[in-house]
Amino acid sequence: TQLLEQSPQFLSIQEGENLTVYCNSSSVFSSLQWYRQEPGEGPVLLVTVVTGGEVKKLKRLTFQFGDARKDSSLHITAAQPGDTGLYLCAGATGNQFYFGTGTSLTVIP
Amino acid sequence: DTEVTQTPKHLVMGMTNKKSLKCEQHMGHRAMYWYKQKAKKPPELMFVYSYEKLSINESVPSRFSPECPNSSLLNLHLHALQPEDSALYLCASSQTGTALRGQYFGPGTRLTVT
Repeated sequence: TQLLEQSPQFLSIQEGENLTVYCNSSSVFSSLQWYRQEPGEGPVLLVTVVTGGEVKKLKRLTFQFGDARKDSSLHITAAQPGDTGLYLCAGATGNQFYFGTGTSLTVIP
Repeated sequence: DTEVTQTPKHLVMGMTNKKSLKCEQHMGHRAMYWYKQKAKKPPELMFVYSYEKLSINESVPSRFSPECPNSSLLNLHLHALQPEDSALYLCASSQTGTALRGQYFGPGTRLTVT
């Protein structure tokens, strides 16, 4: 059973386009994180959100935590080739930690 | 210093070999993790050490043996692996075992079993 479902699974877009990645669950999480992973490297923590409805911005990336703390979204504005990678959401609850199914993003120059 | 280091970067081993993966962090984190990752898939949790004690073992085969010598070091001992064990092995750390503020990952060890 996969607690956190991400959509889409794969995404290929042109440089300059906008995109949104979704992370959905039927479970409530105490916090939710987003990571980006480049090929052959470890995931890099981008952001942690802990409050329902919270919105955080990191340059061209906007992260939102759902009001009920069950889902999250990542929006990228004007995507660049450097944004290419595997995007992972992850939720923490109790002493458990769950990764989402992953979204592989390719930004074409 | 928010760095987690892992050695070696790459490892090729035969099915009868014994080798070890090493991980180190100096952020004062009290939880450390081993993950296995296949290409374009999310990491799969193998082991969690919290305050230097093994707290989670996700039904990993005994050919993988973790060790936490102190709060900064984490080892993964490998013996009699199978070709399907070839993967990227990631080490991570977090402030506590709940990982509420996220985990910090090392660059991984690319393991190939021949």
